[in-house]
Amino acid sequence: QQQVKQSPQSLIVQKGGISIINCAYENTAFDYFPWYQQFPGKGPALLIAIRPDVSEKKEGRFTISFNKSAKQFSLHIMDSQPGDSATYFCAASNSSNYQLIWGAGTKLIIKP
Amino acid sequence: ETGVTQSPTHLIKTRGQQVTLRCSSQSGHNTVSWYQQALGQGPQFIFQYYREEENGRGNFPPRFSGLQFPNYSSELNVNALELDDSALYLCASSLGLGTQYFGPGTRLTVL
Repeated sequence: QQQVKQSPQSLIVQKGGISIINCAYENTAFDYFPWYQQFPGKGPALLIAIRPDVSEKKEGRFTISFNKSAKQFSLHIMDSQPGDSATYFCAASNSSNYQLIWGAGTKLIIKP
Repeated sequence: ETGVTQSPTHLIKTRGQQVTLRCSSQSGHNTVSWYQQALGQGPQFIFQYYREEENGRGNFPPRFSGLQFPNYSSELNVNALELDDSALYLCASSLGLGTQYFGPGTRLTVL
């Protein structure tokens, strides 16, 4: 019940296209859902996060969509750029402790 | 304002040895969480320290232990190293129990 399932494992998108990464969770006690971006040899960097009281949150080219009834959330990267090429992780936690449970990651490659 | 720093950057140990990894939290942050990230996988929560007290632990054996100091820096100690302990160890700091900001990690290789 603690798992977070992430798909796809890898994704290739043309420059300017939309990248979409999906995650599903099981624990209904989770109420904090961040997305992190990680470049090789670096620690994860927080991109954007959402709480279940909203269905969508947008920051620049990054949008999280959240479906509470389906226990799913997704990251959309609009106008994808080669600099967006990285591994993306979704995570989930209860806001009483923020002890993050992570997805397995999606390696995103943006082709010029 | 300085970010989260970790030392050392890389470390090579042999099976059975002990290792200590260090983390300095971001200025003003009083909570540190440690994660283990095996190659090609997502991070796994090890434990969290809030105001010098352990505030939760993941599914890791007791040979993984930690400390948080009065300046909120932290150590992760691993005894009796096993080959499967080879991973990137990540430290994250936060203000209270909130959004976590990660350091660059320590790459541990166990031979």
